Amino acid sequence: KQEVTQIPAALSVPEGENLVLNCSFTDSAIYNLQWFRQDPGKGLTSLLLIQSSQREQTSGRLNASLDKSSGRSTLYIAASQPGDSATYLCAVPFGNEKLTFGTGTRLTIIP
Amino acid sequence: NAGVTQTPKFRILKIGQSMTLQCTQDMNHNYMYWYRQDPGMGLKLIYYSVGAGITDKGEVPNGYNVSRSTTEDFPLRLELAAPSQTSVYFCASSTTEGYTFGSGTRLTVV
Repeated sequence: KQEVTQIPAALSVPEGENLVLNCSFTDSAIYNLQWFRQDPGKGLTSLLLIQSSQREQTSGRLNASLDKSSGRSTLYIAASQPGDSATYLCAVPFGNEKLTFGTGTRLTIIP
Repeated sequence: NAGVTQTPKFRILKIGQSMTLQCTQDMNHNYMYWYRQDPGMGLKLIYYSVGAGITDKGEVPNGYNVSRSTTEDFPLRLELAAPSQTSVYFCASSTTEGYTFGSGTRLTVV
């Protein structure tokens, strides 16, 4: 059974700093990995999707990497802003695009 | 585009009552899903559908039922509400390009 872990559960950093969020998964036979953002009381917003053939995906200040062999992905946020405060979830598919989610990292950017 | 629309946004049910959570998408996606999210936990898959007329159980299907009569609609039915079903429910649809989530239904069973 696929298990997805995100450490730390919570992270606080001063505005302007670069930061890295971590995601690990137990079954490396995945065909993609997704990162989502969830604001309090809201739904999930897709940030980045990395196909298994890719090592990185970039969108603005966000960069996600994928290392299937080690079962790890990272989400790098450059020049953090207070608006980046949210919970960040990673997810990997298991059969027919169903997703297994990590429990998330709650990020707080301190102005 | 509206994307994935869920109704209602909030609901309080008494134990033993029933209700249907509505979900509709206008993107012509074949794959649709229902997840629940408990406080401090990740999302757990309740049911999913790969197309109209086809549904299947996810990780936590007990106490729920679904139907998929059209591509657009994927309602989730709770027949006998229990306190353990207090949660936030998310509907989603997907293609190979990724997932789109609804804004969620916060359900409290008292």
